[in-house]
Amino acid sequence: QVTLKESGPALVKPTETLTLTCHFSGFSLTTSGMRMNWIRQPPGKALEWLARIDWDDDIFYSTSLKTRLTISKDTSKNQVVLTMTNMDPVDTATYYCARMRGDIFFDSWGQGILVTVSP
Amino acid sequence: QSVLTQPPSVSAAPRQRVTISCSGSSSNIGDNPVNWYQQFPGKAPKLLVYSDDLLPSGVSDRFSGSKSDTSASLAISGLQSEDEADYYCAAWDDRLNGVVFGGGTKLTVL
Repeated sequence: QVTLKESGPALVKPTETLTLTCHFSGFSLTTSGMRMNWIRQPPGKALEWLARIDWDDDIFYSTSLKTRLTISKDTSKNQVVLTMTNMDPVDTATYYCARMRGDIFFDSWGQGILVTVSP
Repeated sequence: QSVLTQPPSVSAAPRQRVTISCSGSSSNIGDNPVNWYQQFPGKAPKLLVYSDDLLPSGVSDRFSGSKSDTSASLAISGLQSEDEADYYCAAWDDRLNGVVFGGGTKLTVL
């Protein structure tokens, strides 16, 4: 059974750096074809893709946010970490991690973590 | 402003059929498979259709997907009240080198 769960702070201050961890089970990120992603959704708004890391260490970032994002993996711990620098209130959102398979679709999602950016 | 364009809302009566459109460009829908996600309030999205027209195990065959050129559609037949949700299309974009989503469509079952 595949499970994913996000963890991190619920509240960060403007200009701070956000660090989120996705712990997953039921598969290994060392398996060929496995890819992990971060996606966010501001309250009442659409989904926005942020970053992707592959089993072979390929990494992709949203062009609009790439200067602020870093994605990494720890395969021994079954974890993927996202850092986002210089947080702003507009970054308030639910952040999801999701597994990506095959023809670039997300087949498993975490429950999401709401991160609020406020002084 | 989302890269993929969806209608903000659609509605139909129970047992009717409804379609949700998703318009893109040659760098995304025109060259890559389209996937659809269903999201209920306060819940994570769920994969509904992948690779244009394939259904994951467990998804009702009342849902179907199609694609033509740079546009895709999600059809839901035999509408039920439990289908009320937000629906998002998504695809890889070769120019942006990332996943692009539609703005989402809220389905109301009258």
